[in-house]
Amino acid sequence: KQEVTQIPAALSVPEGENLVLNCSFTDSAIYNLQWFRQDPGKGLTSLLLIQSSQREQTSGRLNASLDKSSGRSTLYIAASQPGDSATYLCAPQGGKLIFGQGTELSVKP
Amino acid sequence: GAGVSQSPRYKVAKRGQDVALRCDPISGHVSLFWYQQALGQGPEFLTYFQNEAQLDKSGLPSDRFFAERPEGSVSTLKIQRTQQEDSAVYLCASSLGGRGYTDTQYFGPGTRLTVL
Repeated sequence: KQEVTQIPAALSVPEGENLVLNCSFTDSAIYNLQWFRQDPGKGLTSLLLIQSSQREQTSGRLNASLDKSSGRSTLYIAASQPGDSATYLCAPQGGKLIFGQGTELSVKP
Repeated sequence: GAGVSQSPRYKVAKRGQDVALRCDPISGHVSLFWYQQALGQGPEFLTYFQNEAQLDKSGLPSDRFFAERPEGSVSTLKIQRTQQEDSAVYLCASSLGGRGYTDTQYFGPGTRLTVL
């Protein structure tokens, strides 16, 4: 059974810092891994999808890496902004999306 | 075009009542998913449809939960005889292709269910 762990559970940084969110998963038999953002009271917004054959994906200030063999993914956010404040969820997809508990990010102006 | 929409956005039910939650996926999307998200947790898979066929219902927590998508578009999640532990946000997602487990999923805003 896939288990997903995200570290840290919460993170508070000053505006402008670069930061890394970590995700680990126990079952490496996955099709892809997705990173989502969730704002309070809202649904999930897909940020990046990394296919199992890929090592990383980039979108603007976001870069996600995937090491399937070690069961790890990281989300790198460059030059953080207050608008980045949200909960970030990773979800490896084997038969279905299995979510971690998320990292709650707060970027202070 | 419009994204995934869900209604109602908030629902309060007394214990023992039946509720019905609606999901309107993105037009033309073949795959549709339901998730349950408890407070402070990540979403948990409930069920998956490919068009009108319910291909996976392994995540439904009990036989009180029932989902349907009769015409392959709008879906309804029904919970009978609600219990307090059913209180959660119910999220719906859709994806374009029939390879539901490998495509990007687009989520609706969710329905927050509170059972008193």
